[in-house]
Amino acid sequence: DAKTTQPPSMDCAEGRAANLPCNHSTISGNEYVYWYRQIHSQGPQYIIHGLKNNETNEMASLIITEDRKSSTLILPHATLRDTAVYYCIVRVANPKLVFGKGTKLTVNP
Amino acid sequence: DAGVIQSPRHEVTEMGQEVTLRCKPISGHNSLFWYRQTMMRGLELLIYFNNNVPIDDSGMPEDRFSAKMPNASFSTLKIQPSEPRDSAVYFCASSSSGGPGYFGPGTRLLVL
Repeated sequence: DAKTTQPPSMDCAEGRAANLPCNHSTISGNEYVYWYRQIHSQGPQYIIHGLKNNETNEMASLIITEDRKSSTLILPHATLRDTAVYYCIVRVANPKLVFGKGTKLTVNP
Repeated sequence: DAGVIQSPRHEVTEMGQEVTLRCKPISGHNSLFWYRQTMMRGLELLIYFNNNVPIDDSGMPEDRFSAKMPNASFSTLKIQPSEPRDSAVYFCASSSSGGPGYFGPGTRLLVL
């Protein structure tokens, strides 16, 4: 599975959009981009995933560049409860998920 | 759906004792995973099952660790004998046919 690179930490003001970047320059054509988050002491929570096209659900939007070498997770109106570690994972259709260090997002009042 | 269920939620034991962690996956899911999380090593995949068969156990640290999945609705992770370095949060997750994995709340293990 391709390696991902994420900034170790980010800050965001409550109510503003949080844009979390992820680089995956070695991604291959059949690899999906998955995003998870882990709120302190809880199990990781699935957010969204995509292959090529941009995706949106009730939690977030996923923007994947045309060359698929990077992506951005967007939380449109961040709340204090969105403070968490966010993981970007690239994998093929097999079910195995390998977690990196992620980005610690702090939403400030 | 109740989600992935893990028990116990907390376990404190003494070095040398046997520890058994339990997991009930989401009904209908055919893949099950055991992860371990520590501050030093982050989230590590220990083993995963597909249709109750162990597919990849390369993350199992050593022979003291064993995992079973006797049926589609139950799995165990056993540590025998336990050591203080096994102290961690152990997560179970399940998924369906390559879809996203859903995690349980974890078992916090402390080995004294």
